[in-house]
Amino acid sequence: EVQLVQSGAEVKKPGESLKISCKASGYSFTSYWIYWVRQKPGKGLEWMGIVYPGDSDSRYSPSFQGQVTISADRSNSTAYLQWNNLKASDTAMYFCARQRTTGVFDYWGQGTLVSVSS
Amino acid sequence: DIQMTQSPSTLSASIGDRVTITCRASQSISSWLAWYQQKPGKAPNLLIYDASYLESGVPSRFSGSGSGTEFTLTISSLQPDDFATYYCQQYHTLYTFGQGTKLEIK
Repeated sequence: EVQLVQSGAEVKKPGESLKISCKASGYSFTSYWIYWVRQKPGKGLEWMGIVYPGDSDSRYSPSFQGQVTISADRSNSTAYLQWNNLKASDTAMYFCARQRTTGVFDYWGQGTLVSVSS
Repeated sequence: DIQMTQSPSTLSASIGDRVTITCRASQSISSWLAWYQQKPGKAPNLLIYDASYLESGVPSRFSGSGSGTEFTLTISSLQPDDFATYYCQQYHTLYTFGQGTKLEIK
């Protein structure tokens, strides 16, 4: 069974760093892109970036380029989303998802809620 | 960037109704369109891909159609479990989601 299990909720202060995770199981981790999506409270879905664990190739939405870092560790089948300087505006739910062949996202993690407040 | 516009933003309907949600792309995306259902506090769930193909395990009351710039998601007979928010997503050029359509009980 394909599963993506995300790390737990985080409460951080502005300026702090954070790395959240998405652990994959039940399929070949290195053969599928992993995608990160932001959802602010009460708002819609925004794609942030993608990573291919097979060669660690990563690509970013222009809206998030330079704001976050997306990576993957083949040794433990885990993808990561990282911030170096959190802002209150980063408060949101973050989802990882597996991209099937043509860009469809067929399996999703349960989400990680990130709250940033002074 | 390709923009995706859904209509309506909110839809009120009753159990058993047939409902249609529309998604328009700012330029042609061929059939590279998916529909997702999302319930509060949960991850989105894939319903339709390549504009009209039903994802495995999704009830047959859901259907998708369209190509180019105009697409529709139809639920043939609303069930209680269908009240949720629906998003379209293009994957012709990078990825863009529509703003969502909230389906409410009338």
